[in-house]
Amino acid sequence: DTAVSQTPKYLVTQMGNDKSIKCEQNLGHDTMYWYKQDSKKFLKIMFSYNNKELIINETVPNRFSPKSPDKAHLNLHINSLELGDSAVYFCASSQEAADPYTYNEQFFGPGTRLTVL
Amino acid sequence: GQNIDQPTEMTATEGAIVQINCTYQTSGFNGLFWYQQHAGEAPTFLSYNVLDGLEEKGRFSSFLSRSKGYSYLLLKELQMKDSASYLCAVIDSNYQLIWGAGTKLIIKP
Repeated sequence: DTAVSQTPKYLVTQMGNDKSIKCEQNLGHDTMYWYKQDSKKFLKIMFSYNNKELIINETVPNRFSPKSPDKAHLNLHINSLELGDSAVYFCASSQEAADPYTYNEQFFGPGTRLTVL
Repeated sequence: GQNIDQPTEMTATEGAIVQINCTYQTSGFNGLFWYQQHAGEAPTFLSYNVLDGLEEKGRFSSFLSRSKGYSYLLLKELQMKDSASYLCAVIDSNYQLIWGAGTKLIIKP
């Protein structure tokens, strides 16, 4: 059973197009995330979302928007794709910590390699 | 600003021991993670430290010194499958996870 799944695994598209990446988790977690990992392998948080709050990294262009139809899904929509958007995008999920002194690890999806031509 | 430093790349020999260091300067500290990431795959959880000291888990151990802003991941009895990137990540005062760029570990026979 796949814990965190993403589709598609590979996405090749032209500049200016609009695309979506889907993410689903079957772990019953209440928080989901989107990360971008560029060619230098930096993992940058883009969004974190639970049923209470959407936290947006302010450096993320507003061409990127998360959409959560329910607790188990967090999709990523990207408008007007640019060359610099080429990267691997990871979805992740975690259970909200029960108290301030614990933190539950994040479980990652397999990644979506986006190539913008 | 927030900063996490790790060596870019390390090389070690199969069967040996290697220590990967991580230093951090963040706005507050609420815990530190180590993740492993094989090429082309997703990161997977290795360890979590929130108190000073050593946490041991099989061949892998992780150490934390909050006063020094320092952690290390110790890998013993290295195997070829340990060739991967090792990512250090710190939870800051806003409970945001700040990631290092990772250390690529190359294991040679």
